[in-house]
Formats: sequence, structure tokens, C-alpha cells
Amino acid sequence: DTGVSQDPRHKITKRGQNVTFRCDPISEHNRLYWYRQTLGQGPEFLTYFQNEAQLEKSRLLSDRFSAERPKGSFSTLEIQRTEQGDSAMYLCASSLAGRVKDFGPGTRLTVT
Amino acid sequence: AQRVTQPEKLLSVFKGAPVELKCNYSYSGSPELFWYVQYSRQRLQLLLRHISRESIKGFTADLNKGETSFHLKKPFAQEEDSAMYYCALSGPAGGTSYGKLTFGQGTILTVHP
Repeated sequence: DTGVSQDPRHKITKRGQNVTFRCDPISEHNRLYWYRQTLGQGPEFLTYFQNEAQLEKSRLLSDRFSAERPKGSFSTLEIQRTEQGDSAMYLCASSLAGRVKDFGPGTRLTVT
Repeated sequence: AQRVTQPEKLLSVFKGAPVELKCNYSYSGSPELFWYVQYSRQRLQLLLRHISRESIKGFTADLNKGETSFHLKKPFAQEEDSAMYYCALSGPAGGTSYGKLTFGQGTILTVHP
């Protein structure tokens, strides 16, 4: 187990297209978090799962964003009808119901 | 609303000098406070948390509830300490919001030789 992994590492898409990112957590971790980071800012919470249940979703997140974690393993984050303001680094993290110390490398999204 | 403020975007010191990265927070209740670090071309990683009262890589941080601060300190900075540092908070351990982090904007520390 080499830690939290994310795919793809980079994604360039045109405005209006849909994109999907994947996160594979550390295998025994039951909690999985998604964060977004824009240039010059700290990571911002988007949503998190405990096992397969999505427990919280940020009020800042528009309904164009959806996340799933089927079977409590990997998770996907989909953005529909992308906008230029969606350009950011999307980070995934996992934990064993405790402190978050394992982050993935991130997926950098560029919307042109 | 919960908030974390890191007033310095950039901090430069010389090797061997003391360093202090400031962090102030607002939260209703008793949060848990963390420092995260991101070295160049590496992923974000946990440096330390207030509840463990530990020293990692020579860094310490003391939670001051009266001043709502959690400043990160190191008495003698090293060149390898150059990195981006984020202060963060979450709800108390054991709660459902534990692990849901609110981050500050980060401070870029540069340690000159």
C-alpha cells in the first residue's frame, strides 16, 4: 500500500464538459475526504464519507458536483458542466476515523 | 463560523535563527488544532497536532485558548524546513466532524543559508 492515490494527476477540459476524478484511499481507512485548493489558498472542504455513506457536503458546493464511494472503497468526484471557476487542485484524504494525515497527490483541473 | 487565519503569506529567516509561524482561529467549542506541511513537489502531510503535545522535526506548537492561537515554533531553523505550512482545525476528537478540516491560507517559509 503506497498511500492515497488519485487519478488522473492532471486534467484539461473545455468549459461545459463533464469530468470525473478517482481517489483510492489506504485500504483499511473508513473515512474519505475531498478538498479543493485554488492558487494562494489553503485546501477547502468539499465532502466526506464514512464507509459508503456521504456524511456531509459543503454548502459552498454547487449541485454540479457529486461524489460517490460505492462499497466504501474508492471514491469518485464528478463535476458536470465545468466552469472556469472550477479550475483548482482537488485533493483526497483518508483516515481511520481519526486525524487526517494521509493526503493524495491531488488532481489538477484546468478548465479552458 | 469557524476560521483559521495565518497573517503571514511569506516568512524568511536565516539558517540557525528562531522561527515562529502565526496561527489564530475562531471556533465555538473546543477544536483540535493541527499544522500541516507541504515540501516542494510533495503531498500535504501532517506535521503535528496540539492534543499530542509532541515535537516533530524540532517544531512545537502550543494551544493558547485565551488568545485563540496555535503558533508554530522552532528555535533553530534549517534549510530543509523551507516549505508551505498550513494551520488547520477540526471539531473535537470522537465527533462526527473530526477530520473535516478548516485550513488557513498558508505561510511559505524560506530558510536562507
